[in-house]
Amino acid sequence: QKEVEQNSGPLSVPEGAIASLNCTYSDRGSQSFFWYRQYSGKSPELIMSIYSNGDKEDGRFTAQLNKASQYVSLLIRDSQPSDSATYLCAVMRDKIIFGKGTRLHILP
Amino acid sequence: DAGVIQSPRHEVTEMGQEVTLRCKPISGHNSLFWYRQTMMRGLELLIYFNNNVPIDDSGMPEDRFSAKMPNASFSTLKIQPSEPRDSAVYFCASSPLSGANVLTFGAGSRLTVL
Repeated sequence: QKEVEQNSGPLSVPEGAIASLNCTYSDRGSQSFFWYRQYSGKSPELIMSIYSNGDKEDGRFTAQLNKASQYVSLLIRDSQPSDSATYLCAVMRDKIIFGKGTRLHILP
Repeated sequence: DAGVIQSPRHEVTEMGQEVTLRCKPISGHNSLFWYRQTMMRGLELLIYFNNNVPIDDSGMPEDRFSAKMPNASFSTLKIQPSEPRDSAVYFCASSPLSGANVLTFGAGSRLTVL
């Protein structure tokens, strides 16, 4: 079983709508969870980090964590064309492991 | 701060040649990570260092790969001999040892082995 799983997409969302990105992980000992955004040809950059169950909001972004279900999600409200990118879920116990990413396409 | 600096940005070489990728982490960051990214396998952790000491190299694909961190401001990833399947983007990232464990990535080195 792959350690961090994400739907590869592409996920197409109309501009202004909510984009919902999901991630599951296999290691129950994982303690830190991250979402990175990667534009084509660029390096990943951190959007959100979350460490405890529940929701964490930062501007248009909300990260959600459910450790019992081993599930992490990222919601992007009021989606903009500039949000079109690949979103990488990352999980850490002693080292940081990435999923393969979900390609998000915001339709103007 | 200039961020994480990697060189070269692009490298094209022939099978069997030695390749050396270089990384300068952010000053004050104690942890350094080498990742490899391909379409098929995504972003894979190859090796990471804490305070210049290799902690986990279980992701290094085989003996052709080696990494060193002789001091806090410099690391190398070497492939000898290189093979076409090594073609990928190699990222270096650094983070503070304590705290939020947030990675800052360099721009990457795109390696093509012919």
